[in-house]
Amino acid sequence: QQQVKQSPQSLIVQKGGIPIINCAYENTAFDYFPWYQQFPGKGPALLIAIRPDVSEKKEGRFTISFNKSAKQFSLHIMDSQPGDSATYFCAASRGGTSYGKLTFGQGTILTVHP
Amino acid sequence: GAVVSQHPSWVICKSGTSVKIECRSLDFQATTMFWYRQFPKQSLMLMATSNEGSKATYEQGVEKDKFLINHASLTLSTLTVTSAHPEDSSFYICSARDAGQPQHFGDGTRLSIL
Repeated sequence: QQQVKQSPQSLIVQKGGIPIINCAYENTAFDYFPWYQQFPGKGPALLIAIRPDVSEKKEGRFTISFNKSAKQFSLHIMDSQPGDSATYFCAASRGGTSYGKLTFGQGTILTVHP
Repeated sequence: GAVVSQHPSWVICKSGTSVKIECRSLDFQATTMFWYRQFPKQSLMLMATSNEGSKATYEQGVEKDKFLINHASLTLSTLTVTSAHPEDSSFYICSARDAGQPQHFGDGTRLSIL
C-alpha cells in the first residue's frame, strides 16, 4: 500500500520532444505528489508538486497531470532539452501541510538527444 | 533559499572504521531531517527520520546500532556508520524541512568501504 510504481525505467527523446513519465499509487491517504530531478552524484531537486484537489499544474516547461480516481499522476516535459537529461523520481506522502515522509518511485532515466 | 549542505561529499575508508556524515540546513531551521540511502541506478530508500532533540525513528530493517543518528540542533544532523563494511558502501543523502514546508535535499555523500 505504500508503494509508488513508476514507468518507464528509461526514456530517450529528441530535443524538442515531450517525454511523459507515469506514476501510480495505492494508498489513498497520500495527499502530496512531488517530482524530483537528480543528476549523477547529486541529491534530488524538487521540480514541481501537486495536491489531489487539482488535476493539472504547470511550472515553466514542466506539467503534472493528476487523476485521482485512477490513482495516477504523470510528468510532462515540454520542449525537452539535452540539459533535461537526468533521472526523474515521483514521490508521494501524506500528512497535509506536515509533509510526511516521502515514498519514492523507482526512477526514470531520461536522455534527450540534441 | 532552503539550502542543505552535506559533508563530506565523498569518503573512502577501511573496513571496520566508523564514518560520520554531517547534514546542515544553512538558511532555515530544520525541525525534521531525513536520511536516505541510494544504491547505483536505484531509488532513494528512507533509513530514518529525526526530529530536533528527539531520538531518530528508523525504518524497518535499518540497524539503529549501526547507523547512529544525532539531531542535536535545528541546523545539524549527523549519521555515523559504525564498524563499516564493504556492503555499507552506498550514496547517503539527507534532507531537511521546517514545519509546514517540503523537504530539501543535500547533495549526498558517496561512501566507499575498502
